[in-house]
This record gives sequence, structure tokens and C-alpha cells, in this order.
Amino acid sequence: QLQLQESGPGLVRPSETLSLTCTVSGDSINSSSYYWAWTRQPPGKGLEWIGSIYYSGGTYYSPSLKSRISISVDTSKNQFSLKLASVTAADTAVYYCARYSNRFDPWGQGTLVTVSS
Amino acid sequence: DIQMTQSPSSLSASVGDRVTISCRASQSISRYLNWYQQKPGKAPKLLIYLASSLQKGAPSRFSGSGSGTDFTLTISSLQPEDFATYFCQQSYSTLLLTFGGGTKVEIK
Repeated sequence: QLQLQESGPGLVRPSETLSLTCTVSGDSINSSSYYWAWTRQPPGKGLEWIGSIYYSGGTYYSPSLKSRISISVDTSKNQFSLKLASVTAADTAVYYCARYSNRFDPWGQGTLVTVSS
Repeated sequence: DIQMTQSPSSLSASVGDRVTISCRASQSISRYLNWYQQKPGKAPKLLIYLASSLQKGAPSRFSGSGSGTDFTLTISSLQPEDFATYFCQQSYSTLLLTFGGGTKVEIK
């Protein structure tokens, strides 16, 4: 059964870089049928797609975040990662990783990242 | 950008009620529309994909319909475990994936 698990700091200082990793188990991230994606959800609000990466490294980024984000994949560790630079309080959210092939499924459990000094 | 508008934003219903939730796209997205259920403190879970295909393991009381710009999620007989927030998501534009604002289904 495919499972995804986010990991990373729960607290990030303003202006610093948020870094998260998603570890995939139960299947290889090398599958040619899927993208691997990040989404986020500010407390009490809706869902926002951040970006997606193919196992070969091809990426799609949300235009509103494109200047600040980088998504990479490490096939040897079956992981993919998110970096979001110059964070502000508006980036406080639960961050989810998910597999994507015209739909997000399954999702990781999510990790809350708070931006605060 | 393709904007997704859900209505209503919240509703109150009783166990056994038939519930319908609407999702409208700002332009035609064919049938590239998915529905998710999210319970408090949990990740979203896929219910319906490609407008009307029931995800494996999802209860058959959930159904989806629509194409183009107008879509509907129907719960034929609301169960206690169905009280949650539901989101639609368009997968037509892979350059910018977007979600609806969500519909919270509460107990009446």
C-alpha cells in the first residue's frame, strides 16, 4: 500500500527558507505514470496547489509561488522535497505531499509549519 | 487561471438526507473534475475522479455528475461519518491546478 510521509521543521523564522521532505513507501517514485506534488492549507482555509515534479525532474510550479519555490526528487531515497524561500506569516499552513495523476491520491498526513519569530 | 466556485459554502443536514454540492468552473474543463472529503485534522481523501468515477473504497452513496463548467457531488443518504468538508479540484490545466473553496456539511 502506497504511503507518503512529510517531515521537516514545524517552526520557521520570517525571511528564512522552509524545507520539507516527503518519503514515499510502498511503491517506487520512479513510476512513469505519476507526478509527485505539494499542496498546502492555511489554518481554517482552503487548499492551494504548490507544485509538482516528475521522477525525471520535470517540474510544474504555481505561478503565484514560482519565484520562491523549488521542488526536487531523490530517487535513491524514494523522496521528494520542497523549499520555499523568504517565508512570511502568510506561509503558515499544513503542508501535504501527494501522488498526482490527474488526481491527488493518496495524500500524506500533513505537517503544520508555522512562520514566526 | 481556472477559478473553481463551490456552493453552498456550508450546509446543515440530517442523517438520511440527500445532499447536493455544486462546483462551477470559470471555463470549460471537460470532465477533469475531482472531489475530495476532508475531516477535521486529517488529509483530504479522494472520493470521485473524472467527474463521475467512484474512487475504490469510497461508499456508493457518493456520486458525481457534470461536464464543461457545472458539476455536482451527491450524497444519496447522509451518514454520520459523512459530516466533513468537501472540495472540488480541476485537473484540466496541469500548469495551474486549482481547488474550490470547500463546502462544510454540518449536522442539523
